[in-house]
Amino acid sequence: EADIYQTPRYLVIGTGKKITLECSQTMGHDKMYWYQQDPGMELHLIHYSYGVNSTEKGDLSSESTVSRIRTEHFPLTLESARPSHTSQYLCASSEGWLGGLFFGSGTQLSVL
Amino acid sequence: LAKTTQPISMDSYEGQEVNITCSHNNIATNDYITWYQQFPSQGPRFIIQGYKTKVTNEVASLFIPADRKSSTLSLPRVSLSDTAVYYCLAADNAGNMLTFGGGTRLMVKP
Repeated sequence: EADIYQTPRYLVIGTGKKITLECSQTMGHDKMYWYQQDPGMELHLIHYSYGVNSTEKGDLSSESTVSRIRTEHFPLTLESARPSHTSQYLCASSEGWLGGLFFGSGTQLSVL
Repeated sequence: LAKTTQPISMDSYEGQEVNITCSHNNIATNDYITWYQQFPSQGPRFIIQGYKTKVTNEVASLFIPADRKSSTLSLPRVSLSDTAVYYCLAADNAGNMLTFGGGTRLMVKP
């Protein structure tokens, strides 16, 4: 069973707050990803990393930022949350491509 | 990265075999095809992966014709718990930027 953890599972915050969504994996995977998904809609890649100190933006523009200081940790930060950021955020990791992506349980973010 | 096209939705009944086809006309030589299953409020879960011909595991089979421009996920004898969204991806082994398509929403009825 894959070991990738996201916290918090649910988060309700007010507009303008700074938040960090945590993602950690214990599999030693080099590649990690953040996806954003609205209810009933497809997943959109917003950030990815192929190793420590590497981060790239995905195909969906996002106001969030990420960092990759340690292999196992890939946090996502919103400096000033807005209602338009309300969504589910899913973190994933992989060791290359064979064997596929392992996803966390997601963080459901609601910005009031 | 090959763009994929799938039917938006499919209906089936318990006990039937379900086949979901994915088109990837511009698939590259190094691309593998991977299928995922997603339940509401959860992250997608890996089902099966293949490069060509046929791959089978304990939950599904994957059929890929010689030209590799499409693939078919086959779920034998579906149950109500197989109701989910199914995604196919075609990407190479670098896997640096993995983009999901719209997926197929499968509804299994009693």
